[in-house]
Amino acid sequence: DGGITQSPKYLFRKEGQNVTLSCEQNLNHDAMYWYRQDPGQGLRLIYYSQIVNDFQKGDIAEGYSVSREKKESFPLTVTSAQKNPTAFYLCASMGDSGELFFGEGSRLTVL
Amino acid sequence: ELKVEQNPLFLSMQEGKNYTIYCNYSTTSDRLYWYRQDPGKSLESLFVLLSNGAVKQEGRLMASLDTKARLSTLHITAAVHDLSATYFCAVDARGGADGLTFGKGTHLIIQP
Repeated sequence: DGGITQSPKYLFRKEGQNVTLSCEQNLNHDAMYWYRQDPGQGLRLIYYSQIVNDFQKGDIAEGYSVSREKKESFPLTVTSAQKNPTAFYLCASMGDSGELFFGEGSRLTVL
Repeated sequence: ELKVEQNPLFLSMQEGKNYTIYCNYSTTSDRLYWYRQDPGKSLESLFVLLSNGAVKQEGRLMASLDTKARLSTLHITAAVHDLSATYFCAVDARGGADGLTFGKGTHLIIQP
């Protein structure tokens, strides 16, 4: 089945640690995105990539980093510089009509 | 800065009733999207509205777009419990593939 796979689904981090969230798609989409969702809130854009080896900061990029070495993969690293990382992280890719297709999400909790 | 405002943010209604969720946005855009989110889950695409006057219907849900008024509506007809969820609208106003801007969501509870 075509889709977006995020892993892990649940992740616990100690303060001061970096963690990496995986996002893989087999939809052959060029553009990929990372959003953050806090309880009771909408989604905020962290980073996006329109093509391999290129990416841009979104609205809340501080404390995060990404890479796009392959079309299928867009991992997100939550660094120790992110002071409030506990959130639900959603990866998406964009279809031809501009519609976003989302993975199942990764829930990160800081201990 | 693009603002996307949904109202109401919380709605409790009875089965069988009709209601409308509103999505206003602050800049020019011809593309608007509606998503559904169940508790603890990801977002599921409901409707893609790509032009002024676009109307889409699926079951008891109908979405419309008025780009001149910068307004989209999601209308629920004869609500049933299974429609309880959070509904988000999202606007493409950055151009190209720069991502969507989301409203805060409308948390809908439909009581038997």
